[in-house]
Amino acid sequence: DIVMTQSPDSLAVSLGEGATINCKSSQSVLHSSNNRNYLAWYQQKPGQPPKLLAYWASTRESGVPDRFSGSGSGTDFTLTISSLQAEDVAIYYCQQYYSAPTFGGGTKVEIK
Amino acid sequence: QVQLQESGPGLVKPSETLSLTCTVSGYAISSGYYWGWIRQPPGKGLEWIGSIYHTGSTYYNTSLKSRVSISADTSKNQFSLKLSSVTAADTAVYYCARSPYYWNCYFDYWGQGTLVTVSS
Repeated sequence: DIVMTQSPDSLAVSLGEGATINCKSSQSVLHSSNNRNYLAWYQQKPGQPPKLLAYWASTRESGVPDRFSGSGSGTDFTLTISSLQAEDVAIYYCQQYYSAPTFGGGTKVEIK
Repeated sequence: QVQLQESGPGLVKPSETLSLTCTVSGYAISSGYYWGWIRQPPGKGLEWIGSIYHTGSTYYNTSLKSRVSISADTSKNQFSLKLSSVTAADTAVYYCARSPYYWNCYFDYWGQGTLVTVSS
């Protein structure tokens, strides 16, 4: 199985400031056949299911605010929130789908 | 609008079989896509359990494969999960979700989840 490691475990950011979440895979999730990274990001608020934010590492899901952006390739990926809003308080997960799906351990984002 | 809703017992005894059903509305599962189960122990991360295609093809997490069975009833637009020989470690919120394109894909629609507690 591909192991997904997220960092940090948690971070506190002031409203309006940027937040960066890292995700590292134990092997590359870049598929040579189509040059796509098989990596997705989710947001989970308390008592709710995960919500898909982005897939193919950087394609934002419909309706997701453009302050969320995904980047990276191969084994190293980043989710950036450009200007943190109160409603962004949540736990964020990465997931690889290069092979059997596996998720990172999550990063909790709070307001400083 | 695609909607998924999990249903089933909230309490299961150790060594028994956990059975859950996901009812899909807004899309006929016989039309395509892959339909999966993911679980989340209280306060912990997410674990993919397995997925099914409308043809009946199934894909399971190797760590659970010996205990898991997923089936679909296209006439009811439902798919189901059975997990046998449960222990306290199987206590979790169980989600059903949809995957586009492949069995191993991201999940774009999720149910609200149902908490299953394994306890005597």
